[in-house]
Amino acid sequence: EAGVVQSPRYKIIEKKQPVAFWCNPISGHNTLYWYLQNLGQGPELLIRYENEEAVDDSQLPKDRFSAERLKGVDSTLKIQPAELGDSAVYLCASSLDGGARETQYFGPGTRLLVL
Amino acid sequence: AQTVTQSQPEMSVQEAETVTLSCTYDTSENNYYLFWYKQPPSRQMILVIRQEAYKQQNATENRFSVNFQKAAKSFSLKISDSQLGDTAMYFCAFIQYNNNDMRFGAGTRLTVKP
Repeated sequence: EAGVVQSPRYKIIEKKQPVAFWCNPISGHNTLYWYLQNLGQGPELLIRYENEEAVDDSQLPKDRFSAERLKGVDSTLKIQPAELGDSAVYLCASSLDGGARETQYFGPGTRLLVL
Repeated sequence: AQTVTQSQPEMSVQEAETVTLSCTYDTSENNYYLFWYKQPPSRQMILVIRQEAYKQQNATENRFSVNFQKAAKSFSLKISDSQLGDTAMYFCAFIQYNNNDMRFGAGTRLTVKP
């Protein structure tokens, strides 16, 4: 069974440009997470979806970040415009449901460099 | 707010030896879960082991075991018979029972030396 798929794996852009990341969760997983991982730190939750509904987006900087999960399967995270401080790894994860005990399965991440 | 602290940024161990990674957390809640995740170089993060706070018995998964001290809010990971494939970043994580915001520590970089 395929794991969580993310693309692109790497992205280099100039500041003020837009960028989008795509995630396809494990088939059958209803819950999808986007995390931000800065260098030398653990992941921090940006947004969590239950099916197509964003149930926790309190940590998402809404002035420049947006996300969607139309049809409740794959998801896109967008940054517009990107800033130098957005350079980081963006991780997507999925779980069968949103229960606290559930194992979260992570994708390989998208490493973003903003110049 | 819940915080997770990993006080060892880097550790190393000889192959076949045992190593213990430390983790402490801060919470006022009584019901929660604790996790150790492993992130190998250039590969995705995977779950190593999980502990339910209401269980007194320490979780074990083959060569991996935890020492869960609820009163001390301590959750260390012991890796026995270390293998080269254990080289990775290890993250301790906390999630409250009724809140799905998982909090991670800053990680410990473990190197297993041949």
